[in-house]
Amino acid sequence: NAGVTQTPKFQVLKTGQSMTLQCAQDMNHEYMSWYRQDPGMGLRLIHYSVGAGITDQGEVPNGYNVSRSTTEDFPLRLLSAAPSQTSVYFCASSYGRGLDTDTQYFGPGTRLTVL
Amino acid sequence: AQTVTQSQPEMSVQEAETVTLSCTYDTSESDYYLFWYKQPPSRQMILVIRQEAYKQQNATENRFSVNFQKAAKSFSLKISDSQLGDAAMYFCAYRSSRGYNFNKFYFGSGTKLNVKP
Repeated sequence: NAGVTQTPKFQVLKTGQSMTLQCAQDMNHEYMSWYRQDPGMGLRLIHYSVGAGITDQGEVPNGYNVSRSTTEDFPLRLLSAAPSQTSVYFCASSYGRGLDTDTQYFGPGTRLTVL
Repeated sequence: AQTVTQSQPEMSVQEAETVTLSCTYDTSESDYYLFWYKQPPSRQMILVIRQEAYKQQNATENRFSVNFQKAAKSFSLKISDSQLGDAAMYFCAYRSSRGYNFNKFYFGSGTKLNVKP
């Protein structure tokens, strides 16, 4: 049971380039989400999904796209990278049933630098 | 939207001593969940403790306990017998328990805890 995996761990992009951050989970979780972590600002929600085929925007969605074709995978696409997108990105998942025991499990993070 | 505030950007504690990290939140909901997550230098987010708002009893997990004051919307984390391995960023988080947004987590800005030997 690998939990939540993210690739790559590190990435450097030039302004204007596009790329996809990969996220996968093997816990059969319905809910998946992407956060960015910037110094002094905690984690901010970018996009989330409550199940395959269903996605919605979080607090800071601009410049990012997501899709959820399977329960396991939830990739995050940067359409045209900007220096303001330099951050650490976390993927998280949970059962999404609102139960007491429902908590989010996080991936190890991707450190992205946009030059 | 709910907001979570951690007013202590950084704190220090002597090994074996006790430290309390503060968290306040703003919500109009009556049912919700509160969490403390630990983020060591490895960046991995680790769940420390969880509190259900409908429970009056404060949650405890070994050396970690919370002081949940629902009326004051306060949720502090107490770490007893601090160990060097407790050094990390600690994030307070809020999750609704119902409605369309019940899956969304809201995080505070974090408190960096230093443990001195």
